[in-house]
Amino acid sequence: ELKVEQNPLFLSMQEGKNYTIYCNYSTTSDRLYWYRQDPGKSLESLFVLLSNGAVKQEGRLMASLDTKARLSTLHITAAVHDLSATYFCAAQGGGADGLTFGKGTHLIIQP
Amino acid sequence: NAGVMQNPRHLVRRRGQEARLRCSPMKGHSHVYWYRQLPEEGLKFMVYLQKENIIDESGMPKERFSAEFPKEGPSILRIQQVVRGDSAAYFCASSLGRGQGRYEQYFGPGTRLTVT
Repeated sequence: ELKVEQNPLFLSMQEGKNYTIYCNYSTTSDRLYWYRQDPGKSLESLFVLLSNGAVKQEGRLMASLDTKARLSTLHITAAVHDLSATYFCAAQGGGADGLTFGKGTHLIIQP
Repeated sequence: NAGVMQNPRHLVRRRGQEARLRCSPMKGHSHVYWYRQLPEEGLKFMVYLQKENIIDESGMPKERFSAEFPKEGPSILRIQQVVRGDSAAYFCASSLGRGQGRYEQYFGPGTRLTVT
């Protein structure tokens, strides 16, 4: 059974700082996703990572995938308040079409 | 280009009533997924459907819950005899298919069910 763990679950940081969210998954995964969710809203797709060593960047966010370590990271560079949200990673694999989500990282960025 | 649509956005039901949640996939998408999000939790996969077929219902509770995706019309998630523990946000996602370039799931705005 595929399991996904994220850490930290809560993160409070100051604007301008860098930080990394970690996502571990338990078995072979075909794809790794990162989503953003604002309170009371739906999920916004940020990145889809397919292969070992994949790195994608959009603005201040960069995601990477290490399939050997079964680890993905979401790195935030020079955080700004607008990035405050809950970030989820999700893995898809093991023959299942449904996504397996982590519990999410609740990120608060303070001025 | 309309995205995934869900209705109602908010639904209040008393214990014992039935809840019907509707999902219209993105235009051209024939694959639908339902997920449930409990407070302060990640999303949990419930069921995966194609038109007129349930492909994977491994995440569906064994009782009271059912889903369909008819040839015409939206996908429906039905919860019979709701209990307080059913209170959650229910999200629908759709995709073009399974293969390369078709698998990405796009999420709807969700239906927030409250059972009183």
